[in-house]
Order: sequence, then structure tokens, then C-alpha cells
Amino acid sequence: NAGVMQNPRHLVRRRGQEARLRCSPMKGHSHVYWYRQLPEEGLKFMVYLQKENIIDESGMPKERFSAEFPKEGPSILRIQQVVRGDSAAYFCASSPGQGRIANTGELFFGEGSRLTVL
Amino acid sequence: AQTVTQSQPEMSVQEAETVTLSCTYDTSESDYYLFWYKQPPSRQMILVIRQEAYKQQNATENRFSVNFQKAAKSFSLKISDSQLGDAAMYFCAYRRKTSYDKVIFGPGTSLSVIP
Repeated sequence: NAGVMQNPRHLVRRRGQEARLRCSPMKGHSHVYWYRQLPEEGLKFMVYLQKENIIDESGMPKERFSAEFPKEGPSILRIQQVVRGDSAAYFCASSPGQGRIANTGELFFGEGSRLTVL
Repeated sequence: AQTVTQSQPEMSVQEAETVTLSCTYDTSESDYYLFWYKQPPSRQMILVIRQEAYKQQNATENRFSVNFQKAAKSFSLKISDSQLGDAAMYFCAYRRKTSYDKVIFGPGTSLSVIP
């Protein structure tokens, strides 16, 4: 069952370190979305990518955060110089390309990566 | 900008009873998707039900149904015969039906099921 795969599931970092979160979309999906969920809050959009392209990064903090989805390999959300406020669950979701018959509009989510910053 | 509002932070229901979760949204688009996602304690987001705005018929999935009022921009979720496994956070979500767009989530409603 090739669903959306995220790793690591849990990541602990000290302040100032870097965090890298990985996401492999479902087979056949070319669009990847990253969301952040703070404790007791809803999901906040961060960035939307296609292969080798950032489509919408309107939810990404301007500093320390970056995302990529290379031609080969998983999408990566990178957080440099982490601070305690970055502690959250980071969810990746994928969907087929627009116009594909299989596209029902929904996003398919991974199980999330929980980042804890000490 | 599109927004999604869920005015009930917490709800509870007796097992086997029916509960309705409210959702309103704001958009100037005429065609779009609406969703209800469930997030159990395991935290994975699971799609419960989806609705396309151009379809007038309310979507139904087993014990889950929606009341979609397009003019009022309202999209409530009804859970019938509630079960203990229904206890979770429920998020209402919206997505424009155009290329290259994200899903926007409401703040969520925490549903408790009382045995």
C-alpha cells in the first residue's frame, strides 16, 4: 500500500540545529503539500510543490525554512537553526496533477513528522 | 481570501446518537471542493467525505452525511449512530477547483463520544 510516506516520524533537535523532514508522495502523484500543526491547533499551509518547482510558498516563514521536490527522490522540508517555536507536527500530503481523471480534489496525507526542539 | 470557520471547538455525543458539526466558509468562487477530514489520536488525517460545489445533492458516506447550503456558504457534517471510534478532531476544508491550489482547513472541532 504505497501511501504518502514521511520520515522521520519523530525528530528531536537542539536549538540552532537543522531539521530535515522527508516526504515521498503516493505513486502517481506529482503534487506535494506541506502543512504545520502546532499543539491544539489546526493545519496551516506552508508550501505547495511540483517536481522541481515551488508553486505556492505563501505559508512559509521567510527565514530558516525551505522546501524542495527534486526530479528524483522525496520532497524535503528543511528548517535551519531551529527554535523552540518550531516544535510541531509537520504533515505532508500529495495529490495527482490537475486535470487527471483520478483527481478527486482531496489530499492524501502522511502520518506526519513530529519535531521537538529542546 | 478564502477562509474556513468552525464555531464549535468541542462537541460531545452519546454513543448511538446523532451529532452535527458546523462549518462555514468564505469564497468568491463558484466551483470548488469541500471536505471533512478526521484526525484521530494517531494524528493521521483521514478523509471522511467530500462535496463538489456544483453538485446540488448532499454527499453521503455510510453514517456520515453533509448538509451543503451553497448560498449560505455552510457545510455541516452529520454523524449518525455515533461510535466510540468516531472520537477525533474533525476539520472542515476548502479547495478551489483551479490549478495549483492548496486546501484550506478550519480550526477543527474536537468530538468526544460518551459510552
